[in-house]
Amino acid sequence: AQSVTQLDSQVPVFEEAPVELRCNYSSSVSVYLFWYVQYPNQGLQLLLKYLSGSTLVESINGFEAEFNKSQTSFHLRKPSVHISDTAEYFCAVSESGNQFYFGTGTSLTVIP
Amino acid sequence: KAGVTQTPRYLIKTRGQQVTLSCSPISGHRSVSWYQQTPGQGLQFLFEYFSETQRNKGNFPGRFSGRQFSNSRSEMNVSTLELGDSALYLCASSLALRTQAMGYTFGSGTRLTVV
Repeated sequence: AQSVTQLDSQVPVFEEAPVELRCNYSSSVSVYLFWYVQYPNQGLQLLLKYLSGSTLVESINGFEAEFNKSQTSFHLRKPSVHISDTAEYFCAVSESGNQFYFGTGTSLTVIP
Repeated sequence: KAGVTQTPRYLIKTRGQQVTLSCSPISGHRSVSWYQQTPGQGLQFLFEYFSETQRNKGNFPGRFSGRQFSNSRSEMNVSTLELGDSALYLCASSLALRTQAMGYTFGSGTRLTVV
């Protein structure tokens, strides 16, 4: 089974500063990679995903993530964060035709 | 189109009781998965249903069970509640099995508190 490690449980960052949320997974077999965001008292929303092709994927609100197969990582980055980005972020991995495995989450707090 | 609907949003139960949670997937979605979310453990997979059949099961005791109806709506049941069952229970739907590549659509969850 896969394991997903989100190295930072909490990340405080000042508004307009860059941020990186780290995610590593265990298996090197073919995988699909996802980032989900959860706002307070809500379910998870898909932020972006890597299925194949270009290793750099982007979301509509300025986040991007890069798939690094050799390091089995899928770190999430944003060059300039906004207050509204304060939320819990979950990295998830799915092997082809199998269930999802989620990391334990990273709480991003943007400080004004 | 309507999203994934989970009811109720909040529940308070006493140890030893049982509880039933409901999930209505997005129209046309036939696969429903359930997850337990707790601060220490993150999201833990409970089970997945497709065409009224349980297709995958996570590592939870038999007190946790579920079912899916012909209209794809799903229920999960927890019997003999324990304090440790307090969690946010999330339902996620997808079009079919093995389309996990497209990602789930999650409901807002049911917050269960066991006292």
